[in-house]
Amino acid sequence: QKEVEQDPGPLSVPEGAIVSLNCTYSNSAFQYFMWYRQYSRKGPELLMYTYSSGNKEDGRFTAQVDKSSKYISLFIRDSQPSDSATYLCAMSNNFNKFYFGSGTKLNVKP
Amino acid sequence: GAVVSQHPSRVICKSGTSVKIECRSLDFQATTMFWYRQFPKQSLMLMATSNEGSKATYEQGVEKDKFLINHASLTLSTLTVTSAHPEDSSFYICSASSGTGYGYTFGSGTRLTVV
Repeated sequence: QKEVEQDPGPLSVPEGAIVSLNCTYSNSAFQYFMWYRQYSRKGPELLMYTYSSGNKEDGRFTAQVDKSSKYISLFIRDSQPSDSATYLCAMSNNFNKFYFGSGTKLNVKP
Repeated sequence: GAVVSQHPSRVICKSGTSVKIECRSLDFQATTMFWYRQFPKQSLMLMATSNEGSKATYEQGVEKDKFLINHASLTLSTLTVTSAHPEDSSFYICSASSGTGYGYTFGSGTRLTVV
């Protein structure tokens, strides 16, 4: 079983839609959760960071962590074509090593 | 914000030659740097962790004699792919941490093609 599971997509939505991206994990010791956005042929860039359970909002982005279900989500409101990218979840228990999901490719159509 | 510069962004080399990839933290000192490999439509696979002034820690299955990592200063780590073969063709990405703050900052990646 992989440490982190993420649906690879692709996920195609119309502009303005609400997007929901998800990851599940198996290691209950994970407590640091991150979402990265990666454009084609570029390195990932950090979007959101959450420690332990709960929600965090930043503009159009909301990250949710449900440790009891070992499930994390990233919501994008009012999605834009510029949001089209691959979104990677990452998590760690001690900041020494991160485990990445395989990434979900998102396409927002104008 | 923290910036990590990775060079070159793209390199094509002949089979059997060696290629060096540089990863620099531009505005912070990186106590720890990570090297990842990413295959198309797959996630980042951690290859090794390097701490300034000490030997790199390689993940299981990664050949340390093939992928030489040097972290000689707090702002520079290098990955040298020795005796490259076509199967080494991949996207290599570094990331760096200053030991504080959230997550890690990634470089822009290096597309290596071995012909």
